[in-house]
Amino acid sequence: EVQLVQSGAEVKKPGESLKISCKGSGYSFTSYWIGWVRQMPGKGLEWMGIIYPGDSDTRYSPSFQGQVTISADKSISTAYLQWSSLKASDTAMYYCARLGVVDAFDIWGQGTMVTVSS
Amino acid sequence: EIVLTQSPDFQSVTPKEKVTITCRASQSIGSSLHWYQQKPDQSPKLLIKYASQSISGVPSRFSGSGSGTDFTLTINSLEAEDAAAYYCHQSSSLPYTFGQGTKLEIK
Repeated sequence: EVQLVQSGAEVKKPGESLKISCKGSGYSFTSYWIGWVRQMPGKGLEWMGIIYPGDSDTRYSPSFQGQVTISADKSISTAYLQWSSLKASDTAMYYCARLGVVDAFDIWGQGTMVTVSS
Repeated sequence: EIVLTQSPDFQSVTPKEKVTITCRASQSIGSSLHWYQQKPDQSPKLLIKYASQSISGVPSRFSGSGSGTDFTLTINSLEAEDAAAYYCHQSSSLPYTFGQGTKLEIK
């Protein structure tokens, strides 16, 4: 079964760092782009960026460039999203998703809820 | 950046009704437009890819059409389980973007 499994919910304080993960299985992880999507509470989907695990080529939305870092470790079929200094406004559900053949997100992770509060 | 504008933002409909959701792109994107359904407390799910291509396992009452800047998602004979938010997504040029979403409520 093709699936993406994300790490569990996180509760952090402003200023703390965080790295969440997305592990792929059931397919060739290095052959498909993986994307990250933010969904703030009660809001819509926001495209953050994508990474190609085969060579770590990464593209960011200008809205998120410099705010987060997307990376991948192909040896363990895992993509990451990280923050160096969290803000309360980073509170959201974060989804990873596989970009399929026609660049649609065909497989989604279950989401990781990140709560940033003092 | 390409902006996708969906309409309506919200619609309350009765079962068996036909529903049409539109997505307009700020510039031509060919057929690089996809539709997703997100039910409450669930991850989004791909419904239609490349404007009109069906996805295995998705009920046939869901269909898509359009090209260039104007696209439509149609749900024929709405069912109660179709209560969800629907999003369009373009993959024509980076950064890829989503529409703001359309929330469908079943009366």
